[in-house]
Amino acid sequence: QQPVQSPQAVILREGEDAVINCSSSKALYSVHWYRQKHGEAPVFLMILLKGGEQKGHDKISASFNEKKQQSSLYLTASQLSYSGTYFCGRIIQGAQKLVFGQGTRLTINP
Amino acid sequence: DTGVSQNPRHKITKRGQNVTFRCDPISEHNRLYWYRQTLGQGPEFLTYFQNEAQLEKSRLLSDRFSAERPKGSFSTLEIQRTEQGDSAMYLCASSPVGYNEQFFGPGTRLTVL
Repeated sequence: QQPVQSPQAVILREGEDAVINCSSSKALYSVHWYRQKHGEAPVFLMILLKGGEQKGHDKISASFNEKKQQSSLYLTASQLSYSGTYFCGRIIQGAQKLVFGQGTRLTINP
Repeated sequence: DTGVSQNPRHKITKRGQNVTFRCDPISEHNRLYWYRQTLGQGPEFLTYFQNEAQLEKSRLLSDRFSAERPKGSFSTLEIQRTEQGDSAMYLCASSPVGYNEQFFGPGTRLTVL
């Protein structure tokens, strides 16, 4: 049931781009993306609700391929503030609970 | 600050003791969730309330765990006869009905010695 994220960890220099992937063996009806900094609560980034939907704000965007049961998060021209662990989550159909992936740890170095 | 608040932020207890955590959701949020997070893992769903009704409960939630949300406002999570395996961060989140985003609180870190 748990989505699988890849890679597990990424180290970048400031200004570089990153892609984080999320795939599910079960049907994906929506994908939620959160970022969590060490010792803090997860912070909502965005939800993708329809297949093929793309969303973004600032330099963080995401796509959702419902057919392939995959979503990708794109971070362009990364900033130091982007460091943290990124989680994707799926809502179980007919329920309200979020099932999170294992997370991708992103480190941005100056 | 009108976000989700949780108390206490940290709790250290001895094995076998009972502990209770409190979560105050964002006002007017009908839905309240509890998750547990261990180091290096994503949050795992424990239970969910809509107003005062507990609508879903994970199989992870053994009989030692109980949650309440009297009057549909704040919620408490109690763990009885704590075990070392209960050590984790316990996160609370809330959301309004019909809105998918869940707003998380800062969590309560439990250490069972």
